[in-house]
Amino acid sequence: EDKVVQSPLSLVVHEGDTVTLNCSYEVTNFRSLLWYKQEKKAPTFLFMLTSSGIEKKSGRLSSILDKKELFSILNITATQTGDSAVYLCALRGNTPLVFGKGTRLSVIA
Amino acid sequence: NAGVTQTPKFQVLKTGQSMTLQCAQDMNHEYMSWYRQDPGMGLRLIHYSVGAGITDQGEVPNGYNVSRSTTEDFPLRLLSAAPSQTSVYFCASISREGNRYNEQFFGPGTRLTVL
Repeated sequence: EDKVVQSPLSLVVHEGDTVTLNCSYEVTNFRSLLWYKQEKKAPTFLFMLTSSGIEKKSGRLSSILDKKELFSILNITATQTGDSAVYLCALRGNTPLVFGKGTRLSVIA
Repeated sequence: NAGVTQTPKFQVLKTGQSMTLQCAQDMNHEYMSWYRQDPGMGLRLIHYSVGAGITDQGEVPNGYNVSRSTTEDFPLRLLSAAPSQTSVYFCASISREGNRYNEQFFGPGTRLTVL
């Protein structure tokens, strides 16, 4: 059974800090790993990763995948209060996305 | 494009009532799915469909039915609502390029309360 475990479950940081969110997984047939940001409504797409070692970047956010060790990390540099959200990691194997429980990030001024 | 739309946004049911949550997408996506989201449980897959006429069960299918008569629509039916089905429900569709599935687009969600 495909499985996604995210850590930490919650995190409180100050503005300007750098954070690293972790996602480890077990999968029978890996196709891709996706990161989403969820504020009050539906999740919004951040990144999709399919290959190891290739960093995806978007502004202050970046992510990388390690298919050998079965994990991915999401980095956020120079955090802002607008980064406060739940960050979801999702795995695509043989079925539609399997989600982790998410990491709740709170950025305080 | 309207993307993925869901109706209603909010619904309150009594135990034993039935209802249908509507989901539609105008992006011609073949792949659609329904999730429920509960506090501390993350998003869990209820049912999914890889194309018109084809549906399959996800992680938590009991108490729900789906059908996919057209590419655009993927309704979720609650046969006899129970308080355990109180949740936020998200419909999603996935874009595809050849054999590769890309990002998943989510609808705005339906907040359902069963009394």
